[in-house]
Amino acid sequence: NAGVTQTPKFQVLKTGQSMTLQCAQDMNHEYMSWYRQDPGMGLRLIHYSVGAGITDQGEVPNGYNVSRSTTEDFPLRLLSAAPSQTSVYFCASSYGMTGQSYEQYFGPGTRLTVT
Amino acid sequence: GDSVTQMEGPVTLSEEAFLTINCTYTATGYPSLFWYVQYPGEGLQLLLKATKADDKGSNKGFEATYRKETTSFHLEKGSVQVSDSAVYFCALSGNQFYFGTGTSLTVIP
Repeated sequence: NAGVTQTPKFQVLKTGQSMTLQCAQDMNHEYMSWYRQDPGMGLRLIHYSVGAGITDQGEVPNGYNVSRSTTEDFPLRLLSAAPSQTSVYFCASSYGMTGQSYEQYFGPGTRLTVT
Repeated sequence: GDSVTQMEGPVTLSEEAFLTINCTYTATGYPSLFWYVQYPGEGLQLLLKATKADDKGSNKGFEATYRKETTSFHLEKGSVQVSDSAVYFCALSGNQFYFGTGTSLTVIP
């Protein structure tokens, strides 16, 4: 199993550009999520999905869109990049919904810089 | 709402020293508690977990006990190694997954 994969590993964007961060998992997990990691802020939840066709907002959803057309894939779209979106982005997946004991499996991250 | 408060870092220890990283939580209901570790340039990986009060999670010499009376889940290791240098995150699984801000540990030979 590859686990959770993310592409690209690094990306530089100019303000106003759009892009999609890819995330895929091969563990048949129902729950997937996107986090951003900023110094001194820990991980903050952007969007999450409890299954194909179902998505919801997390703590910091503004400026980001998601969709979940398959169990395996959960792309994150930046609509119009801003310098405040410079961060490291992590995708994660787990067997079940939060509130249970299922651990989350994390991808290696995408380091995004917006100039 | 639910939250996790974690000891501020960075922490620097000599090899073979004792490690404690404090973590306290606020939650309604009965969350599961986790410690994750992040090595440089990598994603987070589960270190240990506990799913109910008085459970002790342990892995690679690290351990933490789920204390409901003090709402704590402190991470401990009796003798740290250089290879333990990483960032450690406390987390809880309630209505959502919540992470602490992370504690950076550097172990020097």
